[in-house]
Amino acid sequence: GNSVTQMEGPVTLSEEAFLTINCTYTATGYPSLFWYVQYPGEGLQLLLKATKADDKGSNKGFEATYRKETTSFHLEKGSVQVSDSAVYFCALRQSDSGAGSYQLTFGKGTKLSVIP
Amino acid sequence: KAGVTQTPRYLIKTRGQQVTLSCSPISGHRSVSWYQQTPGQGLQFLFEYFSETQRNKGNFPGRFSGRQFSNSRSEMNVSTLELGDSALYLCASSLRGQGAETQYFGPGTRLLVL
Repeated sequence: GNSVTQMEGPVTLSEEAFLTINCTYTATGYPSLFWYVQYPGEGLQLLLKATKADDKGSNKGFEATYRKETTSFHLEKGSVQVSDSAVYFCALRQSDSGAGSYQLTFGKGTKLSVIP
Repeated sequence: KAGVTQTPRYLIKTRGQQVTLSCSPISGHRSVSWYQQTPGQGLQFLFEYFSETQRNKGNFPGRFSGRQFSNSRSEMNVSTLELGDSALYLCASSLRGQGAETQYFGPGTRLLVL
């Protein structure tokens, strides 16, 4: 079955530090890949996505590249801010959609804390 | 455009009771999915509804059920509540179809079972 593995947290960084959160996946075919972010007490917000190999998703300074050869979708940001403190989830959706499932499979989440 | 709304935001129930949660998708979205989020199990898929039909179901007992109305609003019901049902229940909507697979989440309903 499908699975997503994220690096264990929590991750604590100083403001303006470089961020990498690793994400690898297991799936057949070419799934769509997503990063969602969850702020305390809130639901999930889509951060970025990529739907095919070598696509780069980007938003708010965050980037992730869909690497089919390494089945990875690592999240990066060059300079984190205190406001980036949240839990980050990597997710995939199986590519054989159409009439099929729109189910997302999530990683366990990585809690990021950015200190001033 | 208004986002996904969920009601109520918080609920406290006791074991054995039942509960109904409501989700209104983004206007124009016809697919609604439900997820359960707990500290131990993380985010787990419950089911998806599209055009009033359940399209897929996760690995949850029959106590968990749902439905979708003609206006795409969805409800999920949990009967005979157990302590382990305490969780954040998230609803997500999407357009469905090729290239429209992004799911947009609501703020969730936090259920506490005592």
